[in-house]
Amino acid sequence: NAGVTQTPKFRVLKTGQSMTLLCAQDMNHEYMYWYRQDPGMGLRLIHYSVGEGTTAKGEVPDGYNVSRLKKQNFLLGLESAAPSQTSVYFCASSYERERYEQYFGPGTRLTVT
Amino acid sequence: GQQVMQIPQYQHVQEGEDFTTYCNSSTTLSNIQWYKQRPGGHPVFLIQLVKSGEVKKQKRLTFQFGEAKKNSSLHITATQTTDVGTYFCAGPDGTGANNLFFGTGTRLTVIP
Repeated sequence: NAGVTQTPKFRVLKTGQSMTLLCAQDMNHEYMYWYRQDPGMGLRLIHYSVGEGTTAKGEVPDGYNVSRLKKQNFLLGLESAAPSQTSVYFCASSYERERYEQYFGPGTRLTVT
Repeated sequence: GQQVMQIPQYQHVQEGEDFTTYCNSSTTLSNIQWYKQRPGGHPVFLIQLVKSGEVKKQKRLTFQFGEAKKNSSLHITATQTTDVGTYFCAGPDGTGANNLFFGTGTRLTVIP
């Protein structure tokens, strides 16, 4: 099992460009999450999904959109990138109950110039 | 809003010394999880505590959940260079969807 994978690993964007980050998991998890990690601020939840076809906003959703068309995939989109979105993005997944651990992908390092 | 603070933010120790990080929540938590992130890596789950006053051990790591379920600690005995990384605590954010609110983390450096 590959666990949680993310594509791409690195990306540099110019302000105003768009891109999509792809997350895939092969553990049949219902719940999936997108986080951003900035120095000194820990992990902050952007959006999450509790099942195929569902998405919801997390703590810092502005400037991002998500889609979960298939259970194993969770896409994060940036329609018009801004320098404030320079960060490391992590995808995670978990079973569909509280108190279950989250499994994280390797991350995508995004720089917006 | 919910806040989970960790102290210290950074800690440098000589190899063989002990290390402790503390996690304090502004709200009572039903459970708390701890994760470790190696430099350049991703967070990896270490343990979950559920009961008031619970203590769990994993080899040289000891985890404790406070009686009021608002604070927790991670203690590492006789640190090794393999312990280097950032340790995060995380608690439920109250949405009921297994969402976690992560603490700010403690970055541990071990000097050989």
